[in-house]
Order: sequence, then structure tokens, then C-alpha cells
Amino acid sequence: NAGVTQTPKFQVLKTGQSMTLQCAQDMNHEYMSWYRQDPGMGLRLIHYSVGAGITDQGEVPNGYNVSRSTTEDFPLRLLSAAPSQTSVYFCASSYAYSDSGNTIYFGEGSWLTVV
Amino acid sequence: AQSVTQLDSHVSVSEGTPVLLRCNYSSSYSPSLFWYVQHPNKGLQLLLKYTSAATLVKGINGFEAEFKKSETSFHLTKPSAHMSDAAEYFCVVSLFEDYKLSFGAGTTVTVRA
Repeated sequence: NAGVTQTPKFQVLKTGQSMTLQCAQDMNHEYMSWYRQDPGMGLRLIHYSVGAGITDQGEVPNGYNVSRSTTEDFPLRLLSAAPSQTSVYFCASSYAYSDSGNTIYFGEGSWLTVV
Repeated sequence: AQSVTQLDSHVSVSEGTPVLLRCNYSSSYSPSLFWYVQHPNKGLQLLLKYTSAATLVKGINGFEAEFKKSETSFHLTKPSAHMSDAAEYFCVVSLFEDYKLSFGAGTTVTVRA
């Protein structure tokens, strides 16, 4: 059971380049989401999905795109990278509902630097 | 809407002494509350969660937290700090009806030998 797997772990991009952060989970979770972590700001929600074919914006969606074609995968695309997108990105997943509460499982993180 | 305030951005303790990390939340509905820990350059690990069962919640590594509805607080404690507890801690709130999480800004814990 691999849990939530993110790739790549580290990436350096030039301003204007595009790239995709991959996220996969093998727990059959309906809910998946992407967060970015910046110093002193905790984690902020970028986009989320409550099931295949359904996505929605979070708190800081600008400059990012997502899709959910399968239950397992939820890639995050940076359309035209900017230095302000330098951050640590976390993918997370959970069941939509459970009696024991919606425990959220996080990936190991992707460190992205835009120069 | 829901939000989380971690009252201390940095806490420094001596090894073997108690640790207290304070968290207040606001939520219009019955929330689920979590504490996560993040060691340097690592992902987030769940310490414990509150989901409307017992108000005193025990987690991993000797941590526990008490849900106090009247004070809208969910403070995290550990009776005796260990060097391995040095990390950043996040208080998180979510709703059963809304899968979005709201994170506090984090509290960095330093443990002195």
C-alpha cells in the first residue's frame, strides 16, 4: 500500500515554463486536493476534487490547472511558471466521509523553485 | 466559514519538560480537528484527530489534545519533550460536509538539550 505518491520531489523551472506535478493514491479515496506551503502561512488549498470528472478551485487557484480523469490520479499543472509559485506542494487524499472522521493522507511533498 | 489560529509561531522547551501548543478555531458547524507534525523537509504526519467522540484525544508519540467547545480551542500537549519532537506543528479544521481543510500558520517547536 503506497498511500499518496507525488512526483517529482524536487524541480527547478525557468519563468514561463510549464510543468505537471503528478499525484497518485491507491486507497480508492474520492477526495483529492493540492496545497502549497509557504513560510508562516501554513498550507493553502489550490484545487480539489470530490471524484473523477469533478474539480473545483480552492483558495489560491490562479496559475494552476487540474483534472481528474481517474479516481487514482490528480495532476497539477503550472501553465506558465512564475517566481511567486516557488513553494512546496502537497497532494492529499481522503474518503468523502467516514465514521472515524475524514483523515487526510498527504504525499511527501514536491519542492519547486522557479527562477 | 472556518478558520484556525495557532497562538504561538515558535515554542522553545527543554528536553523533559512539558510542551503546550495552542490552537483556537472558528466554525459554524461541528468540526473535525487535527494536529499534524512536519519534520524538516518531510511530509505531514497525523498526530491525532477529534471527530465528536471523546473530548480528550490521545495521539502518537505521547501527544494528546483536548477539545473545548466553550473555548473553541484544541490545544496540543505532551508531558515530556524529546529531542525528536523538534518540528513544525499544524492545527487543522475540517467539516464533514465540506472536505476542505483550513490550516493554522504552524508552530515551530525547538527542543533544548
